Parts: sequence; structure tokens; C-alpha cells
Amino acid sequence: DAGVTQSPTHLIKTRGQQVTLRCSPISGHKSVSWYQQVLGQGPQFIFQYYEKEERGRGNFPDRFSARQFPNYSSELNVNALLLGDSALYLCASSLDFLGGTGANVLTFGAGSRLTVL
Amino acid sequence: QQPVQSPQAVILREGEDAVINCSSSKALYSVHWYRQKHGEAPVFLMILLKGGEQKGHEKISASFNEKKQQSSLYLTASQLSYSGTYFCGTEADRGSTLGRLYFGRGTQLTVWP
Repeated sequence: DAGVTQSPTHLIKTRGQQVTLRCSPISGHKSVSWYQQVLGQGPQFIFQYYEKEERGRGNFPDRFSARQFPNYSSELNVNALLLGDSALYLCASSLDFLGGTGANVLTFGAGSRLTVL
Repeated sequence: QQPVQSPQAVILREGEDAVINCSSSKALYSVHWYRQKHGEAPVFLMILLKGGEQKGHEKISASFNEKKQQSSLYLTASQLSYSGTYFCGTEADRGSTLGRLYFGRGTQLTVWP
């Protein structure tokens, strides 16, 4: 079975540009979360989506936006890129949304490494 | 709300044991443990829920002290493949900030032959 797939794997942008990152969850998973991981740090929560609705937003500026499609795939958009946006962007999927009942485990993709010059 | 992990780094010989700790200042619903190797995705190891339920790995165990909001990951008879950075992710108790994991800064584990 395919795991969580993300694209592109690597990309280089310049300050002020915009970027779109894509994520396909594990088949049957309805929730997608996005995390930012700066080198040497743990992942930081950006968004969670479930059934195409935003179910949580982290402490990130409005330059960051996301959406989830009917097939449960998701896109993360970052506008007006800054040098500090350089990071590994991780997508994770889960059967149900984190915050729902029971134990919901996040399965992470390999990430999209963004470098902003 | 970021949990605090200790130690920051551990160096072991194959076959030795290790304990990694994770502590939060907030009431927790669950603690998730992940291992990440360089350049790869974090891989799920273990989840511990308030109330005692656990799901996880066969060769790795963990504990969750709900009163102290602390969790420990126990790696016994370490293997070379255990090398990597271990992260705990904490989910706040229901009624608080839902839908997210707060990750610690990680514990780098190196196992030598």
C-alpha cells in the first residue's frame, strides 16, 4: 500500500515568491495535517483538515493557507516567501481527525524541502 | 506548550538500554513517539492515551504518568537500526487546543556496533 506521498520533494524559491506543496494521504484516511520542521527542531503544527474543513490552525501568519479536496488530498500554499520559511514541510494523514475520539495516529510523508534564497 | 525532552543525545553500544523522557506543563490526552532518520519521514512508534491504552511497537515500550504529564520511552537491547532522532508529540487534553501535536526538540540516539 502506498503511504503518504508529497510533491515536490525539493524546491528552491526566492524571497517574495509563492509556493504550493501537495499531499496525497493513505487510502481511506480522511484527515490531513501539515507540519513545518526547521533543521534541528521538532515539527511544528500548521493546519489540520478533515472532510475538507479546517479543524485546527497553528501559530503561522496568513501567508500560509491550505485546502483539502474531495479525494482527501491537500495543498499547502505559502505566499510572499521569507528566508525563514526554509524548512521541511511534512504532511501527515490519519483515519480520523486528531482531537476526535479514540487514538488517532499520524502517518507522515517524507516531506517537501523548501529552500528560500 | 512544547514538551521538554531529555536527554538531548544518547550514545550506546549495541545491546545496551536507553530511556528517553518527555515532560509537558499542560494536561495531556495522549503522547505519541516517533523516530526520524536523517532525510526521512518521522516513523510512528507508540501512542499512549490518558486512561492507560497503548498502541505501539513490539520491541519498544513506554509509560505515561498522567499525574505528572510525563512519558518515557524504553529502548531495550538496542540495535544499530535504532539510531535516529526520537520525538515525543503531545496532544492536549480535550477541551483545550485540539487537533495538533506539540513536538519536543528531539533526542538524538546513536548506536555503535
